[in-house]
Amino acid sequence: QVQLQESGPGLVKPSETLSLTCTVSGGSISSYYWSWIRQPPGKGLEWIGYIFYSGSTNYNPSLKSRVTISVDTSKNQFSLKLSSVTAADTAVYYCARAWAGTGYYYIDVWGNGTTVTVSS
Amino acid sequence: SYELTQPPSVSVSPGQTASITCSGDKLGDKYACWYQQKPGQSPVLVIYQDNKRPSGIPERFSGSNSGNTATLTISGTQAMDEADYYCQAWDSSIVVFGGGTKLTVL
Repeated sequence: QVQLQESGPGLVKPSETLSLTCTVSGGSISSYYWSWIRQPPGKGLEWIGYIFYSGSTNYNPSLKSRVTISVDTSKNQFSLKLSSVTAADTAVYYCARAWAGTGYYYIDVWGNGTTVTVSS
Repeated sequence: SYELTQPPSVSVSPGQTASITCSGDKLGDKYACWYQQKPGQSPVLVIYQDNKRPSGIPERFSGSNSGNTATLTISGTQAMDEADYYCQAWDSSIVVFGGGTKLTVL
């Protein structure tokens, strides 16, 4: 059974870069779309972006200028970098595994989420 | 950009049927899926590709999608179904979530 675990700093200073890693266990990172989603306190889900195991990516247009998602198949990990963070980037960040095909995309496995606070 | 609209809240009595809607332009031409999220927990997929249930999801959860509206239906709603529900679709390779609906069972 595939499990995902987010890791990274829980506190980031304004204007700095948020960096998170998701480790995939119990299965291979090959195939599937590997995604990042966030949820600000008390608010809904916001898709950040995804990477296919081959390395192709797609990002939320509202975050695209600040986001980079990468994959390391040798470590069964994928990562998120979000630059120039502000307090508005404070959220629970989830990594997730998604299936996608012609016209569909859905997430079947979610990590537990990690809280990231942006504050000086 | 594509948008999905959900009612902020829906209330239902135990044992009754709850319907949660998700509206978007020509949503019926895309596939919709639904997630359940309980407080302090990660979301769980309850419906994918409009009307398919993942393994382990009770039969009381069903979905439909036509025109501009996708609907999540919970038949015989139980207290354990009280949660936030999010619809999601894929438009031009961009993932879009609805704003979420809080289902109250009272």
